[in-house]
Amino acid sequence: GAGVSQTPSNKVTEKGKYVELRCDPISGHTALYWYRQSLGQGPEFLIYFQGTGAADDSGLPNDRFFAVRPEGSVSTLKIQRTERGDSAVYLCASSLTSGRGLSGANVLTFGAGSRLTVL
Amino acid sequence: GIQVEQSPPDLILQEGANSTLRCNFSDSVNNLQWFHQNPWGQLINLFYIPSGTKQNGRLSATTVATERYSLLYISSSQTTDSGVYFCAVEDFNKFYFGSGTKLNVKP
Repeated sequence: GAGVSQTPSNKVTEKGKYVELRCDPISGHTALYWYRQSLGQGPEFLIYFQGTGAADDSGLPNDRFFAVRPEGSVSTLKIQRTERGDSAVYLCASSLTSGRGLSGANVLTFGAGSRLTVL
Repeated sequence: GIQVEQSPPDLILQEGANSTLRCNFSDSVNNLQWFHQNPWGQLINLFYIPSGTKQNGRLSATTVATERYSLLYISSSQTTDSGVYFCAVEDFNKFYFGSGTKLNVKP
């Protein structure tokens, strides 16, 4: 698509429920990132995909968080047993390339985000 | 990870004024980007600027990589410039963001 698309834009759920957030990157972008942004703070890294594989998931806060990208395009961030502290805006970004030593710059394009509220 | 500090945290300007936003980072980087987050939350990439100077209209940016800082200049500010400006640096595919500078341009 023309830009990075994220759905839903808003999700309100109850504590303990399961949530899925979807990201559709720019067509042809091989790198995909998930970030989380709390009020008044900068985005914090969660996970990075290069193609289908999670190249770095060191930012996932605990094992309730999981993300997949089975065909190397659309990605889904899954949160189990949601807690009130999970409330935040979840941002997805994609880029054409990644990593040091590869040609081209790793320039991020962000989606509009999914605002998650856990009651 | 790399520490990114931005200053000032808040800035109020009268329309037409100029401003300079600063980003300091704790380690050498090959990738630095400036973003503008509009009041609706959308992050827009302004500059990819690991070193040197770039200009785009009323905005320009300079990164002095050897001294680990970058500056974003906004000239003749407009109300549409309001929002939060973030600096982000990359370290092995992980981008580290500062806490941002919140800019409010008053008419």
